[in-house]
Amino acid sequence: DTAVSQTPKYLVTQMGNDKSIKCEQNLGHDTMYWYKQDSKKFLKIMFSYNNKELIINETVPNRFSPKSPDKAHLNLHINSLELGDSAVYFCASSVSTEAFFGQGTRLTVV
Amino acid sequence: SQELEQSPQSLIVQEGKNLTINCTSSKTLYGLYWYKQKYGEGLIFLMMLQKGGEEKSHEKITAKLDEKKQQSSLHITASQPSHAGIYLCGADSGGSNYKLTFGKGTLLTVNP
Repeated sequence: DTAVSQTPKYLVTQMGNDKSIKCEQNLGHDTMYWYKQDSKKFLKIMFSYNNKELIINETVPNRFSPKSPDKAHLNLHINSLELGDSAVYFCASSVSTEAFFGQGTRLTVV
Repeated sequence: SQELEQSPQSLIVQEGKNLTINCTSSKTLYGLYWYKQKYGEGLIFLMMLQKGGEEKSHEKITAKLDEKKQQSSLHITASQPSHAGIYLCGADSGGSNYKLTFGKGTLLTVNP
């Protein structure tokens, strides 16, 4: 069973569109995250939720909005997509000192 | 803010050779994590170090955290093509909110 699963794995879309990436974890963890990995492979945290509450919100455009309907899900919605949003987005969940990552969603904005 | 420097940025070795990847922090580390990323896959957790001087091994991979808890090294013995990928170190600087900050990664290529 996949511990942290993201969908879709690949997403190609046009500028200006609105898209969502879904993330689910079956580990029973309280905390979930979204990370962005840019073209230079630099991973940067975007958001963190603990028990459906936002606890970390780094400097990210307002076009990005995380939504956590329950503890096992943290979805990322992006409005008015821009070329610079092209990247790989990773979801993760953690308990105590270990974090587990999804396989990533490669977003390409054309 | 926490900053992590990884070196080298990329590394090409012949199969069977040993190699070392370094990770240096600008601040004292609360926890240091090593992950491996293969193309098209997520980040695979390798190991976590918390105590100064700690050393952990998993198969042919050994990671150490120095006494001052500001530098870690990842050593692979007798490398194999299956070791190829991007190795990332991540740091937890402590505090009430758990948050990992990553280095830029080291791309490892192992030639048969």
